[in-house]
Amino acid sequence: DGGITQSPKYLFRKEGQNVTLSCEQNLNHDAMYWYRQDPGQGLRLIYYSQIVNDFQKGDIAEGYSVSREKKESFPLTVTSAQKNPTAFYLCASIPGIGTDTQYFGPGTRLTVL
Amino acid sequence: GQNIDQPTEMTATEGAIVQINCTYQTSGFNGLFWYQQHAGEAPTFLSYNVLDGLEEKGRFSSFLSRSKGYSYLLLKELQMKDSASYLCAASSGGSYIPTFGRGTSLIVHP
Repeated sequence: DGGITQSPKYLFRKEGQNVTLSCEQNLNHDAMYWYRQDPGQGLRLIYYSQIVNDFQKGDIAEGYSVSREKKESFPLTVTSAQKNPTAFYLCASIPGIGTDTQYFGPGTRLTVL
Repeated sequence: GQNIDQPTEMTATEGAIVQINCTYQTSGFNGLFWYQQHAGEAPTFLSYNVLDGLEEKGRFSSFLSRSKGYSYLLLKELQMKDSASYLCAASSGGSYIPTFGRGTSLIVHP
């Protein structure tokens, strides 16, 4: 089946450790996005990539890093510089710029202890 | 900047109709999304309005007024499973990146 996968569903890390969240899609979509969602909040854009080997900062990029070495993969690293990393992280993709719907992965809930 | 406003919470009765409003202020507006999100799950697409007017999809309809910066999602014949958060998002700019509101938590009771 085609879709977006994120793993793991739940992730626990100690404060001060970097952690990488995976996002893989087999939809052949050009653009991929990372969002963060906190309780009672909407989605806030962290980073996005419209093409392989290129990515742009979103509204809250500080403390995060990404790479886009392959079209199907867009991993997000939460670094120790991120002050409040505990959140629900969602990855999304669209076929191409100007198309309408974002397809979301199931999300990863990160808890930093 | 961009601003999306929608009510925080609404309650309704099973079988009734509910309207969730969304106002937006954004430059380079392209269109308006509505997503449904159940607790702990990813958002699922409901609708995308580009032109003014009402679009109907089964029990759900979405309306857009570009001149007023206003949209609403209309849910008919409410079911218990409609209890969820409804996210309004405005797409803008050349990158078509949506800006999300905080979501409206809808509680449907018997």
